[in-house]
This record gives sequence, structure tokens and C-alpha cells, in this order.
Amino acid sequence: NAGVTQTPKFRILKIGQSMTLQCTQDMNHNYMYWYRQDPGMGLKLIYYSVGAGITDKGEVPNGYNVSRSTTEDFPLRLELAAPSQTSVYFCASSYGEGVGQPQHFGDGTRLSIL
Amino acid sequence: AQKITQTQPGMFVQEKEAVTLDCTYDTSDPSYGLFWYKQPSSGEMIFLIYQGSYDQQNATEGRYSLNFQKARKSANLVISASQLGDSAMYFCAMREALTTNSGGSNYKLTFGKGTLLTVNP
Repeated sequence: NAGVTQTPKFRILKIGQSMTLQCTQDMNHNYMYWYRQDPGMGLKLIYYSVGAGITDKGEVPNGYNVSRSTTEDFPLRLELAAPSQTSVYFCASSYGEGVGQPQHFGDGTRLSIL
Repeated sequence: AQKITQTQPGMFVQEKEAVTLDCTYDTSDPSYGLFWYKQPSSGEMIFLIYQGSYDQQNATEGRYSLNFQKARKSANLVISASQLGDSAMYFCAMREALTTNSGGSNYKLTFGKGTLLTVNP
């Protein structure tokens, strides 16, 4: 009963490095999301996807890229890491449309940029 | 303006007592959803309860209930019979519609800043 799986759980990057945060879900959900959570704050939407091959920007997309080649996977890429991207990143998925569909979250990736 | 407001940065409650966590929201969309999530110190986000804008009755899930007052735009979470394991950060979130570049629709969650609940033995 895996749900939404994120890897890695922790990572330290140097400024200017790049990395990919992995997210996979086994619930056959069409909708997937990436959020970031800064200290003392709620979550903010980075990117989302309504299905394979379709992605859209959220509130805070600058500095990130995503792709959705399969229903299961929704990786988030940081190209040139900056200290402002130090945060906890959550991937989420939901079954379908409608305001009543809860989003199911992964356990998060804690990322530090030094 | 904030769309989700949680005015209590921290709350304390004695074990076995009930506690209310406040949440007010702002939207002009007649169709919306309100969610509460729990975030323990381990960091994961756990879905607790949902209330739809057209729901006539307040939502309940075990010890969790949602006091939904639509005219006042409030959706307070009530936890009955608090347990030590309830100590966590609690986030109120509202589901809002997004218009995608592909022409379809999707929904995003807008989160409040959270309330840190501490249950004392």
C-alpha cells in the first residue's frame, strides 16, 4: 500500500548544482502536484499535471521544471540550485476532478542548498 | 489578501478534552472544498476531513468534526477527546479551480499557515 513515494528524503546541494526529485504513485491517479513548504508556512503549489504529457505552472514555478511521461511518475527538476530553494518539497496526487477529491501526499523531500 | 486564515499559531489542550482550531476563508466561487490536514513532527501530510460548499451537514470523521459556517466563511476543526498523538501541525486548505493551459480545469489547494497543537498529559 505504497501510495505516493518520494525520493530522496533528504538532500544537500551546493549553489548552482542541479538535481531531480522523484515522485511516483501507484493509485492510478491522473492528477499530480508539487508543493514546497517553507519554515512556518503552508504549502505553495509549484507545478501540477492533469495527466501524462500535460503539465502546468502553479504559484511559484520559477527555477523548476517538470515532466509527466507516465501516469505514475512526476519528477521535479532544479536546474541551478539557489539558497531560496531550501525547503521541504511534497508531491501529491488525486483521483480526478471535483472539489471533493482529497490530495494524497508523499512524505516529503527535505532539501538544503548551501 | 490571504485566502485561508488560521489565526492561532499555537494551541494547548489537556488530554481527553476537546479543542477547536479556527479557519476562515475567502472565495467568490460558489463551488469549493475545504480540507484539514495533519502534519506530525515526522513531516508527512495526513488528510483528515473534507467539507464541500454545498454540503448541508457538517462533516465528521471519527473524533474529527468540521464546524462549517458558510455565511461567516469559517470551517473550524473540532477534535474531541484529545490524545497525545494529536500533537501536530494542522493545516486548513481550500480547493480552488484552476484553468489549465490545455483548456481543461483542475483544482489546487491553497493552505493556511497552520496551527501547532500541543496535547498535554
